Amino acid sequence: GAVVSQHPSRVICKSGTSVKIECRSLDFQATTMFWYRQFPKKSLMLMATSNEGSKATYEQGVEKDKFLINHASLTLSTLTVTSAHPEDSSFYICSASDWQGVDSPLHFGNGTRLTVT
Amino acid sequence: DAKTTQPTSMDCAEGRAANLPCNHSTISGNEYVYWYRQIHSQGPQYIIHGLKNNETNEMASLIITEDRKSSTLILPHATLRDTAVYYCIVSATSGSRLTFGEGTQLTVNP
Repeated sequence: GAVVSQHPSRVICKSGTSVKIECRSLDFQATTMFWYRQFPKKSLMLMATSNEGSKATYEQGVEKDKFLINHASLTLSTLTVTSAHPEDSSFYICSASDWQGVDSPLHFGNGTRLTVT
Repeated sequence: DAKTTQPTSMDCAEGRAANLPCNHSTISGNEYVYWYRQIHSQGPQYIIHGLKNNETNEMASLIITEDRKSSTLILPHATLRDTAVYYCIVSATSGSRLTFGEGTQLTVNP
């Protein structure tokens, strides 16, 4: 089945630094990928839609200059958390569909746990 | 996408069937019902989806009522590894953005 891989699985960084998270579709091409974040004991919240070759679409309230998304190829999208602060500590998850049909399910990566100290 | 309502939590004995309900009374005719689950500290895992008919795969069965206003996910023989948060999501196309509710925390007990 379709596999989405995220890297790294865990990252700890100092406040003020930037962190890049990679999301790859391993056995299919994805023109669109989705980035979610999840706080402890909360549900997933959609942050943005990553579009290959064009600008990402951000959900209301998500700062595009804070969370930079690049989708340079059909198998790779990256999320960069710029000038990270402790409140950015969260579980970040990406997803994509292999679009076998209009009802093809989304496949999710295993997430990246970001801790900002 | 239509809103869904699920119980906050459920318990099930190992080896027994787990039946997880979901209400989606405002579902539109072109919207599918998708089920995902999230085991602690992992990304969500796709389980099953359907439009009108009942569906079954190697993981679970999905029963959708005739009026499509509710559905039930059935794990026929629950194991401890099935302990997870189960999300029922309604969407016209899963290839687009999905909105997650709070889901149901299923705990399978030995």
